[in-house]
Amino acid sequence: DGGITQSPKYLFRKEGQNVTLSCEQNLNHDAMYWYRQDPGQGLRLIYYSQIVNDFQKGDIAEGYSVSREKKESFPLTVTSAQKNPTAFYLCASSKGGGRTDTQYFGPGTRLTVL
Amino acid sequence: AQKITQTQPGMFVQEKEAVTLDCTYDTSDPSYGLFWYKQPSSGEMIFLIYQGSYDQQNATEGRYSLNFQKARKSANLVISASQLGDSAMYFCAMRGPERALTFGSGTRLQVQP
Repeated sequence: DGGITQSPKYLFRKEGQNVTLSCEQNLNHDAMYWYRQDPGQGLRLIYYSQIVNDFQKGDIAEGYSVSREKKESFPLTVTSAQKNPTAFYLCASSKGGGRTDTQYFGPGTRLTVL
Repeated sequence: AQKITQTQPGMFVQEKEAVTLDCTYDTSDPSYGLFWYKQPSSGEMIFLIYQGSYDQQNATEGRYSLNFQKARKSANLVISASQLGDSAMYFCAMRGPERALTFGSGTRLQVQP
């Protein structure tokens, strides 16, 4: 089955630690995205990538880093510089970067800072 | 800059009735896409329906239809024959030249038996 997988489903981090969230897709999509969702709010863009080895900052990129070494994978690292990382993180992908391209989402990772 | 506004934090509807979820948008770009997503309590965002800014017809997908009024910059979602499984958060989103989606704050729909 084609789709987007994210792991882990739940993640706990101590203050000062870096953690990496995994996102993999087998839809053969070129574009991938990371969003953050805080309770009772909509999604905000962290980073996106239109092609391999290229990515752009979104609205709230500070304290996060990404890589896109393979078309299928777009991991997100939450660094210790992110002041308030507790949130729900959603990865998405789309066939292309055009206005009509639908983004499909993974099941999400819930990150809690202890 | 793009902006999506959803003014209904919560809505109730009786099972089997229709419900309209409001969405207004703001953009200076003549070419854009409008999307609706459903987010059940599990958290996953499920794509429901898409409307392009140049589409002449309102989009429909099964029980979902999009009431697109371009001059008023509104893209309301209509769910017909509501089911208990429709209870969820619903988000309106826009995609323009920035390529990524801009989301509204969402509407929580509760379907009552």
